[in-house]
Amino acid sequence: NAGVTQTPKFQVLKTGQSMTLQCAQDMNHEYMSWYRQDPGMGLRLIHYSVGAGITDQGEVPNGYNVSRSTTEDFPLRLLSAAPSQTSVYFCASSLGALNGNTIYFGEGSWLTVV
Amino acid sequence: TQLLEQSPQFLSIQEGENLTVYCNSSSVFSSLQWYRQEPGEGPVLLVTVVTGGEVKKLKRLTFQFGDARKDSSLHITAAQPGDTGLYLCAGAPGAQKLVFGQGTRLTINP
Repeated sequence: NAGVTQTPKFQVLKTGQSMTLQCAQDMNHEYMSWYRQDPGMGLRLIHYSVGAGITDQGEVPNGYNVSRSTTEDFPLRLLSAAPSQTSVYFCASSLGALNGNTIYFGEGSWLTVV
Repeated sequence: TQLLEQSPQFLSIQEGENLTVYCNSSSVFSSLQWYRQEPGEGPVLLVTVVTGGEVKKLKRLTFQFGDARKDSSLHITAAQPGDTGLYLCAGAPGAQKLVFGQGTRLTINP
């Protein structure tokens, strides 16, 4: 009953460091996405993927890279962390098109950049 | 960028009272969803509305999609402390992206 699994749960980075947030789903979902949540700003889409080998940019993609080599995994890479990337990151997945399918969110990854 | 504005952003009421949360946009959405988020967890889908004018009920929660598919409301009857949480609306302008409102933080006092 895993659903969407994110790791790590908490991470502190120094400015300029790089890291990868992992996301895995075991529901054979085609659609996966990454959001960041900041106080008073709701969730903003960073990158998304409609299937293995296909990724696209969301609303706030700068400073982040993604890849989708398998259906199950969708890692988010921070290339050179900045304090502005301090946020809570959520990975989500759905079976297919958003307007007809339920979206399942992971529990979040709390990232602090100092 | 299509925006969704939620109001109010914060709401604190007494147990037993009724409340309505609004989600408004100048853009048309193919569907609109409402989520509830608990501290330390990801959002959980409550309902999806697709048809203009559609009304859906989930126990004491009533969701309505505007006729023009630009706005939605969430009405809670006889609020209970267990209803406390962050409520988010999200619109799908198409099939591949969701746009979220900034959220309404609801506190129900016993």
